[in-house]
Parts: sequence; structure tokens; C-alpha cells
Amino acid sequence: DTGVSQDPRHKITKRGQNVTFRCDPISEHNRLYWYRQTLGQGPEFLTYFQNEAQLEKSRLLSDRFSAERPKGSFSTLEIQRTEQGDSAMYLCASSTGLSTPISYNEQFFGPGTRLTVL
Amino acid sequence: SQKIEQNSEALNIQEGKTATLTCNYTNYSPAYLQWYRQDPGRGPVFLLLIRENEKEKRKERLKVTFDTTLKQSLFHITASQPADSATYLCALVKDTGRRALTFGSGTRLQVQP
Repeated sequence: DTGVSQDPRHKITKRGQNVTFRCDPISEHNRLYWYRQTLGQGPEFLTYFQNEAQLEKSRLLSDRFSAERPKGSFSTLEIQRTEQGDSAMYLCASSTGLSTPISYNEQFFGPGTRLTVL
Repeated sequence: SQKIEQNSEALNIQEGKTATLTCNYTNYSPAYLQWYRQDPGRGPVFLLLIRENEKEKRKERLKVTFDTTLKQSLFHITASQPADSATYLCALVKDTGRRALTFGSGTRLQVQP
């Protein structure tokens, strides 16, 4: 399967614990995005990487959230001291930046990691 | 404030009919607009992109229109099938040069056999 993969698919944790999610983008894609989605809503942007550089961060990304993409390939999203309000589906997406017009931005999404904070 | 609005009520139609979904936006000047399909428990899947200088884009049974004056995009599925039942999301970027997508809340389509 050459699509975007995410691990784990489901995570249940207790309030106050730290969690880390992993995303493996499509191999030739140099752009990687994290979104969060709650029930009945569309995905909300969290952060964006081009290669290993984190170029955009949403105000939604509080101090408890950190994302990395150390070698410009896979990415991790860590949430420290989880709160019940963090319960959501965390989606990763990737897109190509090679020789595409600046306005072209089709994103390929992974299956998501569903986080439940008890 | 910037808003993207999609009809939050589910759209129920009979198989074979044309489904029309609406996406309205305010206080954006998007260079392009995208439509995605999302099935329960899965990530969104890209369907179509339409640029600001395009009035209409087609792909098989799908058609998207983009009216930058009305600040509206319409998404049509002709000859709908039960397999088309899903949530459809519209998305755009806030500013030219930005990469992050801002999504509407989606409209759930249910096609009855």
C-alpha cells in the first residue's frame, strides 16, 4: 500500500498522560499536514511541514502539542498532559511540492488516529 | 470573520437522481476550492479541484461550479448511486501561498436504493 499510513489507529488514554502519533506520508511527497477532526465537523488544520521545516502552525496547536519531521519523511505528533477536550480524530495528509503550480494542493489523507481521553 | 458553510442537514435522495451540495464562503478570496469525500471512520479523499478562473469542472459523474461573485461552489453528482452515500467536504486555503486547507463542516449525502 503506497498511501499515507498512521499509527496507532486508536488510542485510549487517561487524562494527564502523554501520547504520540506517527504518520508516514506518501514517499515522494515533501509536504505533510496534521489536522484534527471532531464529530460532525470538518478537519481543522494544526500544522504543516515542507520537508523537515515546520512552516505553519495553527493557534489550535497549544504548548502541549508538538510535531516533528526530523528527516523530512515520517512525522510525529505528541500531546502532553492530555485533556478530555483533546479527544478527536487526528488526521495526517501529504502532498507533492515537486513542479506543481503554487495553487495546486491536492492532499492525500491517512486513515487517522482516534484519540479518546478518559 | 471568515466562514465556510455547508448545509449541515443530511441530503436524502433517490438513486438515479442528481445530488447538489452547496458550499458558501465569506471573507475569503481563494485561488481554488477543493471537494473531498469522507466515509465514516476514514480520512477524506480528494475528488475535484476548481480554480478561480474556472467556472465548471467535470469528472465522470461529478461536476463542480465555482462562482467567485456569489462566493459559492456547487457540487453535483449525477445518476447517484447508494455507493455515493458519504459526507462531502469543501475546502479552500485562506490566503494565496498558504498550504493549510480550511474545511467546511460537510454535508452528509444518503442515496436511497
